[in-house]
Amino acid sequence: QVQLQESGPGLVKPSETLSLTCTVSGGSISSGSSYWSWIRQPPGKGLEWIGYIYYSGSTNYNASLKSRVTLSVDTSKNQFSLKLRSVTAADTAVYYCARDLGVTAGFDPWGQGALVTVSS
Amino acid sequence: DIQMTQSPSSLSASVGDRVTITCRASQSISSYLNWYQQKPGKAPKLLIYAASSSQSGVPSRFSGSGSGTDFTLAISSLQPEDFATYYCQQNYNTPRTFGQGTTLEIK
Repeated sequence: QVQLQESGPGLVKPSETLSLTCTVSGGSISSGSSYWSWIRQPPGKGLEWIGYIYYSGSTNYNASLKSRVTLSVDTSKNQFSLKLRSVTAADTAVYYCARDLGVTAGFDPWGQGALVTVSS
Repeated sequence: DIQMTQSPSSLSASVGDRVTITCRASQSISSYLNWYQQKPGKAPKLLIYAASSSQSGVPSRFSGSGSGTDFTLAISSLQPEDFATYYCQQNYNTPRTFGQGTTLEIK
């Protein structure tokens, strides 16, 4: 079955760029039925959807983060990536990647999550 | 953005109890509503999609209902492994939004 795994630095300095990659295994990222999302959760708080990307490269971002976020996809590596620019302490969170099967389904599966701390 | 409001925010119950968690959307979302269970240190797990469809492998004691703006997650007979935080989430449009969560604790 499809599995997702996040990877990237766990510590980022304020004003720098947070970069994470999600590797998809057990299935193709080019599956036409799937969108690929990033979701974050600050410590002790709720869930915030960041955006999704389709294998073609088309994207949809949460307006609250749109000015700072870029999602990209590498179908040859079965990976998709998140870049979040100009980070502050408020961006400290566990970042999850997840498959989004569209309006009639939910996020499934999820990666295990990557804690990213913004601190100097 | 569509606001999702869950109630209660926390709930104490005993093994064997039946519990319900409600989720209200700030506008009609038809049946585009999903429920997740999250345990400490783990990623959320999809339980129910499209308001009332159970994800494969989810025990039958979990059920979902509702449409429009009001939705319910019911757990028919609580098991020890059910004590967790539950989130609703709408898929009607973007941005996808989540409720604030309901923490189910052991009484």
